[in-house]
Amino acid sequence: DAGVIQSPRHEVTEMGQEVTLRCKPISGHNSLFWYRQTMMRGLELLIYFNNNVPIDDSGMPEDRFSAKMPNASFSTLKIQPSEPRDSAVYFCASSFTEMNTEAFFGQGTRLTVV
Amino acid sequence: DAKTTQPTSMDCAEGRAANLPCNHSTISGNEYVYWYRQIHSQGPQYIIHGLKNNETNEMASLIITEDRKSSTLILPHATLRDTAVYYCIVRVGLLYNFNKFYFGSGTKLNVKP
Repeated sequence: DAGVIQSPRHEVTEMGQEVTLRCKPISGHNSLFWYRQTMMRGLELLIYFNNNVPIDDSGMPEDRFSAKMPNASFSTLKIQPSEPRDSAVYFCASSFTEMNTEAFFGQGTRLTVV
Repeated sequence: DAKTTQPTSMDCAEGRAANLPCNHSTISGNEYVYWYRQIHSQGPQYIIHGLKNNETNEMASLIITEDRKSSTLILPHATLRDTAVYYCIVRVGLLYNFNKFYFGSGTKLNVKP
């Protein structure tokens, strides 16, 4: 398996524009996580899906952020409109649901909003 | 939300064992301890995990105290490529389907020649 695949790897956009980040989890995994990493706040859990259903989105910072998982092999994180303070590295991770199984992370998307 | 505390940074000489401590005094009986590391801005990399028994794999050993309130990650022969931020994580689970990975601040391990 190629692991968790995120796209794009880098994104530069202007303030106010819509940004969509994409994630393909490892085949067979039924839990998916979106994280955001900044120097100030470290790795923050934004949202957690289980079997394609959003279980906990309490980490989503504002209504400008939304995430979907239309099927088991694809998820998106959308920011609309984007702001400079959204600049960060966004990671997607997937795992099996069982608590004794590890999560695997993608290489991240570095987002810069100017 | 992080349930773990770790030292901010540690130094280790190349070739020596690196022992990274972690406190998780509020851990519940069914919660696992996980260790990840992050090199530069790459995605976090899984190292090892355990419940109450000591664990060993090709990367490291995990020693969990009998009361489960703390653990130590051991890299037996540290190399310069082990320089990274190491995260100790408790996989939080209230119900079977509600288990997440919360990252704390981690320990920056500096392996020196």
